[in-house]
Amino acid sequence: AAGVIQSPRHLIKEKRETATLKCYPIPRHDTVYWYQQGPGQDPQFLISFYEKMQSDKGSIPDRFSAQQFSDYHSELNMSSLELGDSALYFCASSLGTGSYQPQHFGDGTRLSIL
Amino acid sequence: ILNVEQSPQSLHVQEGDSTNFTCSFPSSNFYALHWYRWETAKSPEALFVMTLNGDEKKKGRISATLNTKEGYSYLYIKGSQPEDSATYLCASPYSGGGADGLTFGKGTHLIIQP
Repeated sequence: AAGVIQSPRHLIKEKRETATLKCYPIPRHDTVYWYQQGPGQDPQFLISFYEKMQSDKGSIPDRFSAQQFSDYHSELNMSSLELGDSALYFCASSLGTGSYQPQHFGDGTRLSIL
Repeated sequence: ILNVEQSPQSLHVQEGDSTNFTCSFPSSNFYALHWYRWETAKSPEALFVMTLNGDEKKKGRISATLNTKEGYSYLYIKGSQPEDSATYLCASPYSGGGADGLTFGKGTHLIIQP
């Protein structure tokens, strides 16, 4: 079965650069979530989209923005990168919203800031 | 901020033995409780989403129970096998509406010893 696809798998950037992470949800899934997992931390919710509209917002820094496109894929744009942004970034998708919907995770993008 | 806690942090179990661990969460404003299985170098795999007090769900040798009044859920593994070695995460959504982000516990790291 098709899963959530994230690209790139690994990304190395320098401080103050920008980065764009992409997420392709499971076919027919209309809801996308972004999480950030720092070293030794549990995943922290950043932001979510339903039907191309922002739905819920967590601890996403102002330097980050995200959107969901007409084909339901999503991109997380990160600017003025800092050392503390080094983390594993997960995308998850679900069919519809609601707290009872399981979120299906991708393999993550590992971002390293030098 | 939702406080989701898991215990124990890590667990070593002999192959063939059964085991269980706990997830606790605030009993007020409860919406759902998610369990995930996370193997190293893979993405978190959704196991169960539980919403009703007294709910019990089963998937093969793994089952889970839910007590929303006292704010805890147990995950049970019967006859542990080496492939059960993983980190088991529980998570709860912030609220009951929209594409809710999940607040994760820190996980129980389970190691099955042959």
